[in-house]
Amino acid sequence: GESVGLHLPTLSVQEGDNSIINCAYSNSASDYFIWYKQESGKGPQFIIDIRSNMDKRQGQRVTVLLNKTVKHLSLQIAATQPGDSAVYFCAETHGSGNTGKLIFGQGTTLQVKP
Amino acid sequence: DTGVSQNPRHKITKRGQNVTFRCDPISEHNRLYWYRQTLGQGPEFLTYFQNEAQLEKSRLLSDRFSAERPKGSFSTLEIQRTEQGDSAMYLCASSWTGANEKLFFGSGTQLSVL
Repeated sequence: GESVGLHLPTLSVQEGDNSIINCAYSNSASDYFIWYKQESGKGPQFIIDIRSNMDKRQGQRVTVLLNKTVKHLSLQIAATQPGDSAVYFCAETHGSGNTGKLIFGQGTTLQVKP
Repeated sequence: DTGVSQNPRHKITKRGQNVTFRCDPISEHNRLYWYRQTLGQGPEFLTYFQNEAQLEKSRLLSDRFSAERPKGSFSTLEIQRTEQGDSAMYLCASSWTGANEKLFFGSGTQLSVL
């Protein structure tokens, strides 16, 4: 079946450390992946995306890595800050039909300790 | 560009009542999506529009749910004869076709059915 999931429900890191949040997906046809950040009481906020023809993409303090062989996606946050505390979701879609419909995983809660 | 706007932010209703939510997407976006999110879970796709046409509906969308986007701009989601299981955050998102499926989400409407 089609599913997107994260390996750990909660990740606790010290401020200033790097964070790595993992995600596994099962649909080999998935060709586009997005990471979203969701703070309490707010909607998901776009962080970074990556297409399946890439294996790495960098943004400001964030890097997404894609391993299509094992269907694994990760989000790396450098120098984690208290403002990074939130729930992080990976989402995927595949090009057939081009609906833009995203399928979300369950989320990982990132807690940043000062 | 003021982002995706959803109203109301919170809605408390009694079981059996009808409720209606409104979503105003980003003005130049032609696609509009409705998702539902329960506590601790990722958003689940409900339905989406391209302009005024409703192109896909999830099996999650029972016949008590109806969504409209009459002029291809704002959208409404109505739930008839609400049940306690309808309690959730209802999220709206919009995008522009060709924009790599990047969805921009509103802050959601939190529905509580008593």
